[in-house]
Amino acid sequence: EAQVTQNPRYLITVTGKKLTVTCSQNMNHEYMSWYRQDPGLGLRQIYYSMNVEVTDKGDVPEGYKVSRKEKRNFPLILESPSPNQTSLYFCASSSGQVSGYGYTFGSGTRLTVV
Amino acid sequence: AQTVTQSQPEMSVQEAETVTLSCTYDTSESDYYLFWYKQPPSRQMILVIRQEAYKQQNATENRFSVNFQKAAKSFSLKISDSQLGDAAMYFCAWGTSNTGKLIFGQGTTLQVKP
Repeated sequence: EAQVTQNPRYLITVTGKKLTVTCSQNMNHEYMSWYRQDPGLGLRQIYYSMNVEVTDKGDVPEGYKVSRKEKRNFPLILESPSPNQTSLYFCASSSGQVSGYGYTFGSGTRLTVV
Repeated sequence: AQTVTQSQPEMSVQEAETVTLSCTYDTSESDYYLFWYKQPPSRQMILVIRQEAYKQQNATENRFSVNFQKAAKSFSLKISDSQLGDAAMYFCAWGTSNTGKLIFGQGTTLQVKP
């Protein structure tokens, strides 16, 4: 089944403890992206990648890192999480021009930082 | 900077009736695409409909259709014959060619009353 898989689905962590949220797609998509969703703010783009080793900042990149060493994987790294990073996170991928086809989304990761 | 605005945080509709969700955007680009995504309580993001800015004809997908007013920078979603399964949060999104950028609005929660 074609899908975007992100793990974990739920995560509670403490301030300052480094964490990684994994994302993998099995559709051979070139584009991948991370979003965070907060009430009243919609989805905001954190980072996106147009191919292996090619990444760019979205609208809210502060406090996050990404890497794209393989086409299928695009992990999101929080080096020192803070409570304001408590949010619902989505990974997404697209086959070509995102603008034409939109993104296919994973199931989301609910992150709580205490 | 491009922005997408959904001014209706919540809407409700009677089952079998028609409802229209509003979306406006701001951009200086001439070539772009617009999308509506649905997010049911399962939190999965589902692409509902897409519109190319260069096409004057409004997109239609079964009971879902859009009213695209390019000069007014307006992109509303009409849901006909509303069903209980249409209850969800709906997001409007905007993107341009050859980038990984896709910008979302704040979302509108749609309630469907039996």
